[in-house]
Amino acid sequence: AQSVTQLGSHVSVSEGALVLLRCNYSSSVPPYLFWYVQYPNQGLQLLLKYTSAATLVKGINGFEAEFKKSETSFHLTKPSAHMSDAAEYFCAVSGTGANSKLTFGKGITLSVRP
Amino acid sequence: NAGVMQNPRHLVRRRGQEARLRCSPMKGHSHVYWYRQLPEEGLKFMVYLQKENIIDESGMPKERFSAEFPKEGPSILRIQQVVRGDSAAYFCASSPGGLGNTGELFFGEGSRLTVL
Repeated sequence: AQSVTQLGSHVSVSEGALVLLRCNYSSSVPPYLFWYVQYPNQGLQLLLKYTSAATLVKGINGFEAEFKKSETSFHLTKPSAHMSDAAEYFCAVSGTGANSKLTFGKGITLSVRP
Repeated sequence: NAGVMQNPRHLVRRRGQEARLRCSPMKGHSHVYWYRQLPEEGLKFMVYLQKENIIDESGMPKERFSAEFPKEGPSILRIQQVVRGDSAAYFCASSPGGLGNTGELFFGEGSRLTVL
């Protein structure tokens, strides 16, 4: 069984500051890892995914994440926060089998201060 | 290219009534997943279906909840005799093949159920 842990429920940064959202995973098999973003009253949008190719993954809106097997981590970063980045961010894990499903963390709300 | 379509977007039911949530996957997608989102709890997997087959229903409550994805038409998540604890946002996602093959799910905007 796979799971992800997102510590904390809320992160606040100033506009222009570094964004770091942490995610640790647990998986008995090589996982696929994902970050999704959810804006208020909307569905989830894929930011980026790791599917066993390059360990540093670049996504949309300037976000990137690095898969670190030794640390079982997949932290999301962005060098400079923008007001429009304020949203809820979910880390998710799946297996690589055909019938796999996504298992989500509890999510982190990102606030961006002017 | 239309995305995943869910309706209704908002549904209000009284305790004991039935709720039916519909999901039309993206064109060409034959795999549908249902998730439930409660405040402070993230998204919880409910069920994974392919056309006319339930692949994984390990997240579905044993009673009152059912799901189908017929050969023709949308996928339906049905909740009978709703209770206040069923109030949540229900999200549908689709993919052209299994997640393990394609590596991505496409989500609808959700159906928000309120039980009075």
